[in-house]
Amino acid sequence: DAGVIQSPRHEVTEMGQEVTLRCKPISGHNSLFWYRQTMMRGLELLIYFNNNVPIDDSGMPEDRFSAKMPNASFSTLKIQPSEPRDSAVYFCASRPLTSDEQFFGPGTRLTVL
Amino acid sequence: AQSVTQLGSHVSVSEGALVLLRCNYSSSVPPYLFWYVQYPNQGLQLLLKYTSAATLVKGINGFEAEFKKSETSFHLTKPSAHMSDAAEYFCAVSDSGGYQKVTFGTGTKLQVIP
Repeated sequence: DAGVIQSPRHEVTEMGQEVTLRCKPISGHNSLFWYRQTMMRGLELLIYFNNNVPIDDSGMPEDRFSAKMPNASFSTLKIQPSEPRDSAVYFCASRPLTSDEQFFGPGTRLTVL
Repeated sequence: AQSVTQLGSHVSVSEGALVLLRCNYSSSVPPYLFWYVQYPNQGLQLLLKYTSAATLVKGINGFEAEFKKSETSFHLTKPSAHMSDAAEYFCAVSDSGGYQKVTFGTGTKLQVIP
């Protein structure tokens, strides 16, 4: 299995631009999580999907952030417009129905100038 | 609400010495507890987990952790540190219900000195 796939691995953009981060979970996993990791705030859960349905988006910082999961094999996290304070590493993780373990992707390092 | 507190954001040990990383949890229901490890420029991976079975849990790479309800602790230990253990370690908690939202601690960076 290829594991959780995230793209791009690195993204550098200018303030005000739209940024789209992509995630392909492990096949057969029914839960998907988006996290943000920064030095100041550590690892924060942004949103959690179960069977493609958003269950908890209370961690989404503001309306500039949106996430979708149109099918079981793909999810996006969009920031529009981006700001320098959005600079962080964004992780996607998936989890199968039969396990408590989350499987993390390698992350996307986002830099907003 | 559930939470975990990791004592010490940085821990340094000599190669071959005992590793002890501390984690205390708070949960209103019987918790599930986890330790994840993050190597540089990688995502997190599971080291071990406690899900209400044996209180002493063994994980990968020689790590183990003991669930102590009376102390609300789940400290991570390894008898002898290797250079390859240098990484960041995260304690995490979830409730044992179906929702299973996981709350991560702030992490402890382990440095192993040759």
